[in-house]
Amino acid sequence: AQSVTQLGSHVSVSEGALVLLRCNYSSSVPPYLFWYVQYPNQGLQLLLKYTSAATLVKGINGFEAEFKKSETSFHLTKPSAHMSDAAEYFCAVSVGSNYKLTFGKGTLLTVNP
Amino acid sequence: DAGVIQSPRHEVTEMGQEVTLRCKPISGHDYLFWYRQTMMRGLELLIYFNNNVPIDDSGMPEDRFSAKMPNASFSTLKIQPSEPRDSAVYFCASTPLAGGPGTDTQYFGPGTRLTVL
Repeated sequence: AQSVTQLGSHVSVSEGALVLLRCNYSSSVPPYLFWYVQYPNQGLQLLLKYTSAATLVKGINGFEAEFKKSETSFHLTKPSAHMSDAAEYFCAVSVGSNYKLTFGKGTLLTVNP
Repeated sequence: DAGVIQSPRHEVTEMGQEVTLRCKPISGHDYLFWYRQTMMRGLELLIYFNNNVPIDDSGMPEDRFSAKMPNASFSTLKIQPSEPRDSAVYFCASTPLAGGPGTDTQYFGPGTRLTVL
């Protein structure tokens, strides 16, 4: 069965600083990987996804993630944090011929002025 | 498009009462998912449907939970009887068939916050 581990339940950065949110996955077959963002009192919104094309994936709001098979990682980055990036971020994995997503526990990003 | 619609947005009930959560997926989406989010367990998939047929209900916690999808535009998640440990945010999501398994974006509704006293 597949699984996702997000390192750090809470990350705090200053406005303008680099954002790095870590995600490692476990899967016996090539995975599809996703990052979702959840703003307070809202549902989840897709940031970006890796579906076996380019390993560097660009998403909305300036975020990107790189799939590294050797490290089983799919870390999310943004060069310069903005106050509006404050939210909870979820990494998710899907494998095989089904539509099930397995989510990590989430990382709460705080952006300080 | 209005997106995935869920109702009610908030529900407060007493232990033992029946609770029904409702979801309207995005028109044309063939898959519908029900998730539960808690602090302790994070986001868990409860059940999902394809073309109104339940495909995998292995995440449904127990017999007190049931889900139906009578048509392509409506689904319900029912808890009977409800218990305090059912308190959580319940999300509905839908996805089209276009990209194939595992690749399609799931579009989430705003969720229903359930509190069982």
